[in-house]
Amino acid sequence: DIQLTQSPSSLSASVGDRVTITCRASQSIHTYVNWYQHKSGKAPKTLLYGASKLEGGVPSRITGSGSGTEFTLTITSLQPEDIATYYCQQSYSNPWTFGQGTKVEIK
Amino acid sequence: QVQLQESGSGLVKPSQTLVLTCSVSDASTTYSNYSWTWVRQPPGKGLEWIGYVYYSGSAYFNPSLQSRVSISVDRTARQVSLMLSSVTAADTAVYYCARSINRVTTRYIDVWGKGATVTISS
Repeated sequence: DIQLTQSPSSLSASVGDRVTITCRASQSIHTYVNWYQHKSGKAPKTLLYGASKLEGGVPSRITGSGSGTEFTLTITSLQPEDIATYYCQQSYSNPWTFGQGTKVEIK
Repeated sequence: QVQLQESGSGLVKPSQTLVLTCSVSDASTTYSNYSWTWVRQPPGKGLEWIGYVYYSGSAYFNPSLQSRVSISVDRTARQVSLMLSSVTAADTAVYYCARSINRVTTRYIDVWGKGATVTISS
């Protein structure tokens, strides 16, 4: 199975800050990485697919990049509604796997 | 926008079979470009991929669950089902139904259900 390791596990930042979450894969997954936002008690929400493609309706302050084994999700200006846990997920090979999650809080 | 709604027993006894149904609000189950996925989240833990079924009926499961799980689609009824047998307390989780786009160049979950809480307890 392909392992995904996210860092940091949690972070606290101020409104307006630039926030970056990293996802590292145990082997190359090309650009088969997707990012999801999960707020407590709600359905997860798809943010990005194919490493950098923004899902419809997702604000442009959220961007993704990377290929191979290292990927990043960046929120260019953190907003209160961005408080959530963020997961990367690989769809390069079965079984699909998720990173352990990064919890984002407001300072 | 399509909506997915999970339903089923919220309390299952150990060793019994967990059965969940996902009702799909549009005709997505009849389109060949979608596959149907289940994901779960145990209390205090992250997301775990259970498996998915293609339009063709071919299915792929998490090896850790493969011997106990099945996923099926009733296209005309617009329903996706999950069955997990011989459950234990470790199967206690919120279970999410999801629609996946599953093509050679693009593979991801594009729509999620709200989730169904299942507790395994006698």
